Amino acid sequence: DVKVTQSSRYLVKRTGEKVFLECVQDMDHENMFWYRQDPGLGLRLIYFSYDVKMKEKGDIPEGYSVSREKKERFSLILESASTNQTSMYLCASRSWGVMNTEAFFGQGTRLTVV
Amino acid sequence: DAKTTQPNSMESNEEEPVHLPCNHSTISGTDYIHWYRQLPSQGPEYVIHGLTSNVNNRMASLAIAEDRKSSTLILHRATLRDAAVYYCMGFGTDKLIFGTGTRLQVFP
Repeated sequence: DVKVTQSSRYLVKRTGEKVFLECVQDMDHENMFWYRQDPGLGLRLIYFSYDVKMKEKGDIPEGYSVSREKKERFSLILESASTNQTSMYLCASRSWGVMNTEAFFGQGTRLTVV
Repeated sequence: DAKTTQPNSMESNEEEPVHLPCNHSTISGTDYIHWYRQLPSQGPEYVIHGLTSNVNNRMASLAIAEDRKSSTLILHRATLRDAAVYYCMGFGTDKLIFGTGTRLQVFP
């Protein structure tokens, strides 16, 4: 059974903390994505990676960074968490360069910054 | 990637067919049209995709307009488990860009 696994389902962090959200996929996919989802705004792309150590900014990269040291793992980093980063975060993976293949999503991490 | 427009919400009764429209007027000739849905408290899941021809699978059917500027996801007999947010996307690059989707409510 194919899988995208996010390390935490729920997370509560304090303002100013450095936060790591981890995502692992077992499908040998080249592309991995991080989204945040807020009511009324849908899914917005933060960053995506098309290979190890390669990344590209999405629509809302401010306040975030990413790391991809291994093909199966893609980390989202909040350098100094703020309350406006309270949101649902979703990770996805997909094969590279083949437009007719599906993406697979994790279950999401609901992050609350207090 | 093509910009998509979908109605914010739609309603259906159980056992009735549902037609979910999507406008993707900026789509290019090589962009595939994908549909995903997001059930409550879950990540999105793939539903169906197509390029030019209509497509069927066990979950749904996809009808693509001849000019490819719009498509319709068809659920032949809605069930309560089909209540979700449905997203259409047209893309020809590796990025996956979602719109705000259509929230489908299904009533018993």
